[in-house]
Amino acid sequence: DQQVKQNSPSLSVQEGRISILNCDYTNSMFDYFLWYKKYPAEGPTFLISISSIKDKNEDGRFTVFLNKSAKHLSLHIVPSQPGDSAVYFCAASPNTDKLIFGTGTRLQVFP
Amino acid sequence: DGGITQSPKYLFRKEGQNVTLSCEQNLNHDAMYWYRQDPGQGLRLIYYSQIVNDFQKGDIAEGYSVSREKKESFPLTVTSAQKNPTAFYLCASTKGGRYTDTQYFGPGTRLTVL
Repeated sequence: DQQVKQNSPSLSVQEGRISILNCDYTNSMFDYFLWYKKYPAEGPTFLISISSIKDKNEDGRFTVFLNKSAKHLSLHIVPSQPGDSAVYFCAASPNTDKLIFGTGTRLQVFP
Repeated sequence: DGGITQSPKYLFRKEGQNVTLSCEQNLNHDAMYWYRQDPGQGLRLIYYSQIVNDFQKGDIAEGYSVSREKKESFPLTVTSAQKNPTAFYLCASTKGGRYTDTQYFGPGTRLTVL
């Protein structure tokens, strides 16, 4: 049973526009959420995180929004750049006990 | 440069053979992790170790074994008992032992069983 779901396997966005990557979770005990970015032939790298006590966290072009009532989080990238083309994984953790990853969304930013 | 190295990048093995995947880090991190990634699935935790000479099973430990004799090394052995070993294997480390600490990943090893 997939507790962290990324229902869109791929997303294509034009350079300069906003990219919105979505993630849904089923476990209300999750209290910390992270986004990782992965280029081909490389390991994932940490991008941004958010605690359940917040509903928004911003870092430069990247903003993560958390809607606890809907058990939904999203990653916004504004403006999108070709270098953002990668696979994005969301991950969730209940009380630091474990980290559960979603299946990933492949983002392609075209000129 | 500090980081995590995994070797080899590609590995082929015959069915019924054990194989060991290497993971080394020079970040002075306390905890290390092994994940497996299959097509269409997220990363799944195989084993983790928070201190030297101690390790814990993750969600899919069956058919795998690990050791943590040194802080910087956490090799993973895929045994013949693993029913479906063909996958992409990722090693990671964190400064502390919490899952929510930033995980630093190696480049991965792609294992193919022939």
